[in-house]
Amino acid sequence: KAGVTQTPRYLIKTRGQQVTLSCSPISGHRSVSWYQQTPGQGLQFLFEYFSETQRNKGNFPGRFSGRQFSNSRSEMNVSTLELGDSALYLCASSLRDRGGTEAFFGQGTRLTVV
Amino acid sequence: QKEVEQNSGPLSVPEGAIASLNCTYSDRGSQSFFWYRQYSGKSPELIMSIYSNGDKEDGRFTAQLNKASQYVSLLIRDSQPSDSATYLCAVRNQAGTALIFGKGTTLSVSS
Repeated sequence: KAGVTQTPRYLIKTRGQQVTLSCSPISGHRSVSWYQQTPGQGLQFLFEYFSETQRNKGNFPGRFSGRQFSNSRSEMNVSTLELGDSALYLCASSLRDRGGTEAFFGQGTRLTVV
Repeated sequence: QKEVEQNSGPLSVPEGAIASLNCTYSDRGSQSFFWYRQYSGKSPELIMSIYSNGDKEDGRFTAQLNKASQYVSLLIRDSQPSDSATYLCAVRNQAGTALIFGKGTTLSVSS
């Protein structure tokens, strides 16, 4: 069974640009969540989607947005990139969004903003 | 935002010893608790989940949960150098709509 797939694995962008990251969940999983990981802040929750609906959003500016498609694949977008957005962006999928649901991570997208 | 607290470490133990990792959380309504292992440069890997008070054992790993004290722990028996990694505690919020992580404890097992 294929795991969570994130593309691309690496990205280098310039300040002010925008970027779109993609996540394909484990087959049958309907919930996708996104995290930003930096050395200083650890893993910080960005948002969680279930059946194309955003169920929760972390404490990030509106430049960070996401969506989920009918096939459960998800994208996140960061507009007007800042140097501080350089991080590892991780996507995790779950079978369902409530209760005792285990989340499985993809390999991540390493974003560098220069 | 609800919080999950872990000692950052590093926690250093000799090979064969028991490593004890601890975590506290603030959301009293949380019902689902997880431990992840993350090697340097890799993504987090789920190693244990626990939902009820008490102990849950899986091989060399034992997770312990005390909801009254809002405390979760992970014991690693017979620690091996390959266990050297950062261990992340994660707690699903009461609504079930977010998984909140601690900043992780770095474990170093020396041979």
